[in-house]
Amino acid sequence: SQTIHQWPATLVQPVGSPLSLECTVEGTSNPNLYWYRQAAGRGLQLLFYSVGIGQISSEVPQNLSASRPQDRQFILSSKKLLLSDSGFYLCAWSEGAGLNQPQHFGDGTRLSIL
Amino acid sequence: DAKTTQPPSMDCAEGRAANLPCNHSTISGNEYVYWYRQIHSQGPQYIIHGLKNNETNEMASLIITEDRKSSTLILPHATLRDTAVYYCIVNLGGANNLFFGTGTRLTVIP
Repeated sequence: SQTIHQWPATLVQPVGSPLSLECTVEGTSNPNLYWYRQAAGRGLQLLFYSVGIGQISSEVPQNLSASRPQDRQFILSSKKLLLSDSGFYLCAWSEGAGLNQPQHFGDGTRLSIL
Repeated sequence: DAKTTQPPSMDCAEGRAANLPCNHSTISGNEYVYWYRQIHSQGPQYIIHGLKNNETNEMASLIITEDRKSSTLILPHATLRDTAVYYCIVNLGGANNLFFGTGTRLTVIP
């Protein structure tokens, strides 16, 4: 069966520090991968999605970037964190981009910027 | 923007059926209706999805009206562990982008 792992579960970082969040999917080949952010009390905002290795699309211009160095690995990064980057970051995968393909989410990383 | 409307909160007695409504009056012919739920501090959990026929799986049933402008998620026998925020989402296609709104907070009462 397919599984998705995100780490770390929680992270506290100072303003201006770099960031690297990792997401790994097992049990499926060439999945679509997604990064979302959920601010407190609000819905999910799609940040990036990837349909294959090295292919990244950005939905919202911001201080963050994403990379997909391997088929099953999706990384969210920042060179300098801002206070506004605080939030709950979720990685998700789906089999292809068809309308009939549900996304499956990891347990998220709660990021606090001080 | 989300294309769905849900009540902000609902209560349900433990052991009873929970019926969660959703309006999606502007849904397009090829868009699916998806339901997810999120328990505090966890990632959203996929529940069920459908196009125009009613669907059932081990978690829930999805009833979609004939005109597809609304749907109802049914949890047949609610338990305390079903307490969560439930999101009704219309898939906008393309990158399979899911727009999550504010959902319905379901509280199952003992």
